[in-house]
Amino acid sequence: KAGVTQTPRYLIKTRGQQVTLSCSPISGHRSVSWYQQTPGQGLQFLFEYFSETQRNKGNFPGRFSGRQFSNSRSEMNVSTLELGDSALYLCASSLVGRLGTGTDTQYFGPGTRLTVL
Amino acid sequence: KQEVTQIPAALSVPEGENLVLNCSFTDSAIYNLQWFRQDPGKGLTSLLLIQSSQREQTSGRLNASLDKSSGRSTLYIAASQPGDSATYLCAVSSQGGKLIFGQGTELSVKP
Repeated sequence: KAGVTQTPRYLIKTRGQQVTLSCSPISGHRSVSWYQQTPGQGLQFLFEYFSETQRNKGNFPGRFSGRQFSNSRSEMNVSTLELGDSALYLCASSLVGRLGTGTDTQYFGPGTRLTVL
Repeated sequence: KQEVTQIPAALSVPEGENLVLNCSFTDSAIYNLQWFRQDPGKGLTSLLLIQSSQREQTSGRLNASLDKSSGRSTLYIAASQPGDSATYLCAVSSQGGKLIFGQGTELSVKP
């Protein structure tokens, strides 16, 4: 079974631009979560989608947004990029995400490395 | 607010040694705790998931324990190998799809 895939793997943008990152979950997985990883802040939760609905959101400004499609693929968008948005963006999928049922193990993709100049 | 702490931040051991990585969390109202491994510049690989009703999980040379009441988990690695060198992260889940991560322990196993 193919794992979680993320595209592109690397991106270089300049301040003020916007960017869209894509995530394809493991086949059959319906929950997709996004995380930002930086050396200073570590891994921080951005948002989670299930069946095209945002179920959870972290403490990030409105410049960060996402969506999920009917095939469970997800995209996240960052508008008006700032230098501090440079990070590794990780996507994770889980079967259902219903806590305590064993379907909540999260499987991560390789990430998209975003550099903002 | 849930906070996750991992000690030590870095650890260097000779090959063959048994070792323990520690993870603590401030709010015991969790559903599960997951241990991950991350190689430099790569994504996370899930190692073990412990549901809140469980006390431990084992996979090969890895054993993870959970004491929810004291807010602690340990990851035990037996007979360490150079290939075990990586950053190990623990994360707790108290809401669906949202993991709170520790800062990680960077492990180096010397041949």
